[in-house]
Amino acid sequence: NAGVMQNPRHLVRRRGQEARLRCSPMKGHSHVYWYRQLPEEGLKFMVYLQKENIIDESGMPKERFSAEFPKEGPSILRIQQVVRGDSAAYFCASSAVQGATDTQYFGPGTRLTVL
Amino acid sequence: KQEVTQIPAALSVPEGENLVLNCSFTDSAIYNLQWFRQDPGKGLTSLLLIQSSQREQTSGRLNASLDKSSGRSTLYIAASQPGDSATYLCAVEYGNKLVFGAGTILRVKS
Repeated sequence: NAGVMQNPRHLVRRRGQEARLRCSPMKGHSHVYWYRQLPEEGLKFMVYLQKENIIDESGMPKERFSAEFPKEGPSILRIQQVVRGDSAAYFCASSAVQGATDTQYFGPGTRLTVL
Repeated sequence: KQEVTQIPAALSVPEGENLVLNCSFTDSAIYNLQWFRQDPGKGLTSLLLIQSSQREQTSGRLNASLDKSSGRSTLYIAASQPGDSATYLCAVEYGNKLVFGAGTILRVKS
């Protein structure tokens, strides 16, 4: 059973470009979470999605950031018009159920560098 | 505000020593608490998950305890080895999200 897959592992963008980060959850998992780890900081929750629904986006910046988890295919975190402050490691996690009984399994992360 | 604090921020010990990492959280209405390991430039590996109704979990040389009423958890590592060197993260689950501490950077010297 493959783990959580994220691609690309490393992404370099120039200021003003768009970044698209992909996450394929573990087989059988329908809950996806995105976290961001800024340099020298801890991981911060961004968004929680189920298939075709955004459940909690309380950690998402108000502008330029969006996330989706379509019926078919991976979850996508999209950052428009990237700025240097967006440089960070972005981690995706998935779980089979939401709540106390199941852990979140993390992917290897995508490291975004904005030049 | 839901905050998670880890002490110490960094720890360096000789091989073979037993050690304790500390985690405290401000909001006791937790679903569960997890300890993760993160190696440099890598993802997160879940070590132990303690549900809110439990007081401890053990896996090999690792033992984690949870005291919800005082808002504290400890991760005990027995007989530390150089391969244990990593950043250890405490994360508390509140509903839809995990709230992470800043981590403890552990270095075990051979």
